[in-house]
Amino acid sequence: SAVISQKPSRDICQRGTSLTIQCQVDSQVTMMFWYRQQPGQSLTLIATANQGSEATYESGFVIDKFPISRPNLTFSTLTVSNMSPEDSSIYLCSVQDLGGADEQYFGPGTRLTVT
Amino acid sequence: AQSVTQLDSQVPVFEEAPVELRCNYSSSVSVYLFWYVQYPNQGLQLLLKYLSGSTLVKGINGFEAEFNKSQTSFHLRKPSVHISDTAEYFCAVSLQAGGTSYGKLTFGQGTILTVHP
Repeated sequence: SAVISQKPSRDICQRGTSLTIQCQVDSQVTMMFWYRQQPGQSLTLIATANQGSEATYESGFVIDKFPISRPNLTFSTLTVSNMSPEDSSIYLCSVQDLGGADEQYFGPGTRLTVT
Repeated sequence: AQSVTQLDSQVPVFEEAPVELRCNYSSSVSVYLFWYVQYPNQGLQLLLKYLSGSTLVKGINGFEAEFNKSQTSFHLRKPSVHISDTAEYFCAVSLQAGGTSYGKLTFGQGTILTVHP
């Protein structure tokens, strides 16, 4: 199974600022995803991070608000831009290998509070 | 588009009692089905998955789930729960194989299982 780390684990930010969250995997993986879990809610997929090309965003999420990078097969970043209190959530990255066991592994999450 | 409904937001049970957490899904195409567990202040851990084959799937920590295609359900069960099973449980689906939808998980709203002594 893949081991995933995220930095930071938590942060408190002021509205109007931006935060970049890092996701590091201990092995090369095909697919990387970013999810959001708002307080008391389920997980919602933000985007698929594509290596070497622009991320694929789900309905309701845009690149200007959530720019994503994926420079290689083990690393990705998600930036939450121009934050507002509504962005307070847990942000999780996950990974899955094509041709693997169709199993998706999740990172520990980044707990973001916007004041 | 697919959707997942977890029929109970909270399930309180006593230790050593059996438990069933209900999950129904809707999809116009075939899906894979998953149950994840989230312990307090931790990430998600896969409990079990149904990809194909036997409709009764066994997972970790004594949990099992049964896929019922006609009822589009994937209920999670455990015959005897422990205090340590207290957590939030998420049912999820992904579309089968290939294309731009590969790997994308759609989650239910979650069920908080609380096991009392």
